[in-house]
Amino acid sequence: GAVVSQHPSWVICKSGTSVKIECRSLDFQATTMFWYRQFPKQSLMLMATSNEGSKATYEQGVEKDKFLINHASLTLSTLTVTSAHPEDSSFYICSARRTGGAEAFFGQGTRLTVV
Amino acid sequence: AQKVTQAQTEISVVEKEDVTLDCVYETRDTTYYLFWYKQPPSGELVFLIRRNSFDEQNEISGRYSWNFQKSTSSFNFTITASQVVDSAVYFCALISNSGGSNYKLTFGKGTLLTVNP
Repeated sequence: GAVVSQHPSWVICKSGTSVKIECRSLDFQATTMFWYRQFPKQSLMLMATSNEGSKATYEQGVEKDKFLINHASLTLSTLTVTSAHPEDSSFYICSARRTGGAEAFFGQGTRLTVV
Repeated sequence: AQKVTQAQTEISVVEKEDVTLDCVYETRDTTYYLFWYKQPPSGELVFLIRRNSFDEQNEISGRYSWNFQKSTSSFNFTITASQVVDSAVYFCALISNSGGSNYKLTFGKGTLLTVNP
């Protein structure tokens, strides 16, 4: 149990377009989902925390209009990178926390390349 | 505030050597969880272990062992008889619920382990 599926695994898009990344908890309900960004050779940086049915809480320095997060159901959260630019190229990874639990489970990550 | 420090940025060993990855944490909470994750070049995070703050027993799983010491706020990870396949970035992480933080996971900066044949 506790499987989190993230899609797509990788995506290449043109500068100025938007990209949506999905994070699904396959076999549990996730009240809270977290979105991280990781630059090469660096640690994971928390971007935002989303709770089902409410607005996401963004970490300091993360543009909420740039990185739109929607957590419409207990099994799905989406991250949309709007008007992507080459500097948005990164590895994005989500995690989902089971309702009532402390531990979060990670998706496989999405490697975004903006050209 | 929570903080995880992995002082070793990179470690390089020769196969079959033992290697210890250090992790020191800070938290004001009495209830917290500590984790180790492995991140191979593919990028996915592979869960290795979880330890809660009330369980100071050391753990061994095959060639892996963990030493949790609350007195020094450390949670070190040892790989015995390292293999080339152990080459990866290893992250130590901490969860607590400080001020209703939604159990956010705080990561250390990671240690890149390279095991040479």
